Amino acid sequence: QVTLKESGPGILQPSQTLSLTCSFSGFSLSTSGMGVIWIRQPSGKGLECLAHIYWDDDRRYNPSLKSRLTISKDTSSNQVFLKITSVDTADTATYYCARSTATGSMDYWGQGTSVTVSS
Amino acid sequence: DIVLTQSPASLAVSLGQRATISCRASQRVSTSKYGYVHWYQQKPGQPPKLLIKYASNLESGVPARFSGSGSGTDFTLNIHPVEEEDSATYYCQHSWEIPWTFGGGTKLEIK
Repeated sequence: QVTLKESGPGILQPSQTLSLTCSFSGFSLSTSGMGVIWIRQPSGKGLECLAHIYWDDDRRYNPSLKSRLTISKDTSSNQVFLKITSVDTADTATYYCARSTATGSMDYWGQGTSVTVSS
Repeated sequence: DIVLTQSPASLAVSLGQRATISCRASQRVSTSKYGYVHWYQQKPGQPPKLLIKYASNLESGVPARFSGSGSGTDFTLNIHPVEEEDSATYYCQHSWEIPWTFGGGTKLEIK
């Protein structure tokens, strides 16, 4: 059974660094073709892909946010991490992590963690 | 970035009838073998759920009333016959190149 669960600070202030953790089970990120992707969704709005890490440690970023993003993984503990630097109110959203497969689709998602940036 | 334009933004369909949602890409997102477009359903307070991958391949466990088609730049999600539980927002997504992007969403209401 594949599960993913996001965790984060809930609320943080502008200019701080947002640290998110995706803890997963039921698959291995060392399996060829597997990946974990971070996606966010502001309340009432659409979905935006942020960063993607693959089984071979290849890392891909949304170019519009690349300078602020760092994705990493700990295969032994089944966790993927995302850091976003210099947050502002526009980063307020629900952040999801999802498993990606070789098809390029995302077949399992976490429930999401809500992040609010406010002074 | 590849822009995916969904239409309509919202639609209301009577129970048992057909719902058709369009997704148009700003450039070709398919080869002769695969369409790199996938469809998701999202209900309020829930994460998206994968329905269709590679344009027309039904994800395991998804009811057969959902179907996808298309190639090149034009893709379609059909739901027939619609049921009450299909009330949700539907998104298309491409995986042709980085960054993967989503369409703006189509909100389906069941009459």
